[in-house]
Amino acid sequence: DAMVIQNPRYQVTQFGKPVTLSCSQTLNHNVMYWYQQKSSQAPKLLFHYYDKDFNNEADTPDNFQSRRPNTSFCFLDIRSPGLGDAAMYLCATSGWDRGLNTEAFFGQGTRLTVV
Amino acid sequence: AQSVTQPDIHITVSEGASLELRCNYSYGATPYLFWYVQSPGQGLQLLLKYFSGDTLVQGIKGFEAEFKRSQSSFNLRKPSVHWSDAAEYFCAGDQTGANNLFFGTGTRLTVIP
Repeated sequence: DAMVIQNPRYQVTQFGKPVTLSCSQTLNHNVMYWYQQKSSQAPKLLFHYYDKDFNNEADTPDNFQSRRPNTSFCFLDIRSPGLGDAAMYLCATSGWDRGLNTEAFFGQGTRLTVV
Repeated sequence: AQSVTQPDIHITVSEGASLELRCNYSYGATPYLFWYVQSPGQGLQLLLKYFSGDTLVQGIKGFEAEFKRSQSSFNLRKPSVHWSDAAEYFCAGDQTGANNLFFGTGTRLTVIP
């Protein structure tokens, strides 16, 4: 049973045209993350939400924004995609179990192509 | 600066052979350590994790990893590799315990018959 669901799996967008990627979770986890993974590279954390608190990594470009309207959903908005933003975008969640943070659970990713 | 290093970009092993994937970390204190596997076009699946305690950690799919503080290593092992183990393997560290994961560059495993 999928627990972290990313839609769509594949997204093609035009250069400069805003695009939104979505992530939902059935785990009721309070933390949600967005990672960017470029071809043949390691995933890189863009930002995360701890409940409604947004935490941006220092080197995440301003072109990337995020919204979390409720516990279950989190969106990644790319305001003006460039060719360099083509990548796999991974959503992950984590929660708390007996006072410890659980490991991160990842979705299957959305592969973004910019044309 | 915190970092995780995977020295091997690509490893090829024969099916049934043993496997060891290397991971070294550089943190001020002992970090949380993880191994993830990624099949082509897929997300990341956790194989195992180390927080504290027993330094030999058992994971899913027959994998294990050993934390060695003296060597700053957290190598992944499997006694007998199956063709379905072919994938990309990522070691990751987290200093905070909040899953702010810092990934190594990955090791691609090829399994030959």
